[in-house]
Amino acid sequence: DAMVIQNPRYQVTQFGKPVTLSCSQTLNHNVMYWYQQKSSQAPKLLFHYYDKDFNNEADTPDNFQSRRPNTSFCFLDIRSPGLGDAAMYLCATSRDDGAGNEKLFFGSGTQLSVL
Amino acid sequence: GQNIDQPTEMTATEGAIVQINCTYQTSGFNGLFWYQQHAGEAPTFLSYNVLDGLEEKGRFSSFLSRSKGYSYLLLKELQMKDSASYLCAVRDSNYQLIWGAGTKLIIKP
Repeated sequence: DAMVIQNPRYQVTQFGKPVTLSCSQTLNHNVMYWYQQKSSQAPKLLFHYYDKDFNNEADTPDNFQSRRPNTSFCFLDIRSPGLGDAAMYLCATSRDDGAGNEKLFFGSGTQLSVL
Repeated sequence: GQNIDQPTEMTATEGAIVQINCTYQTSGFNGLFWYQQHAGEAPTFLSYNVLDGLEEKGRFSSFLSRSKGYSYLLLKELQMKDSASYLCAVRDSNYQLIWGAGTKLIIKP
């Protein structure tokens, strides 16, 4: 089935040790998003790609970087994880045709723990 | 600033009906979404409203009043599997998606 796949499902890293989260999609959607979600909070958009165009949210820390080498794959790099970066990281995709009604398809998320 | 307000938590009984409200103050409006999120899982799409009125989809219905900045999600014939968080999200004039913190719905037998 077409879907958004995130790996790993759970990731444990050490304080300050770089970590990379991955996302792939078979939906051929042109937009990919990375969200951070902490318990009982709204998802917080970190950045998104509209095709190859990278869009960084103004309040996304420099500690977070992203790469989208092709349409299907997107990576989230956390260069020096802090305890406050422990969260669920959600990858999502959408097909933006300009109508504004496009829904987001989410991956299962990666739960990041920082020790 | 932009804001989405939802109750933090609600409790309902299996087989009953529950209404989850969402009020929003955003810079412009280009549609409102409801997503369901089970604990530890990703959100899944439930409904989309862009015009005033009620959209019905099986046991779930969503209502929108743009003049009041208000929406609700109505869940009928509640089942235990409906225990989840329900997230309201609004697309603003810049087509940015503004998310609420979600309403945790607890279903009791």
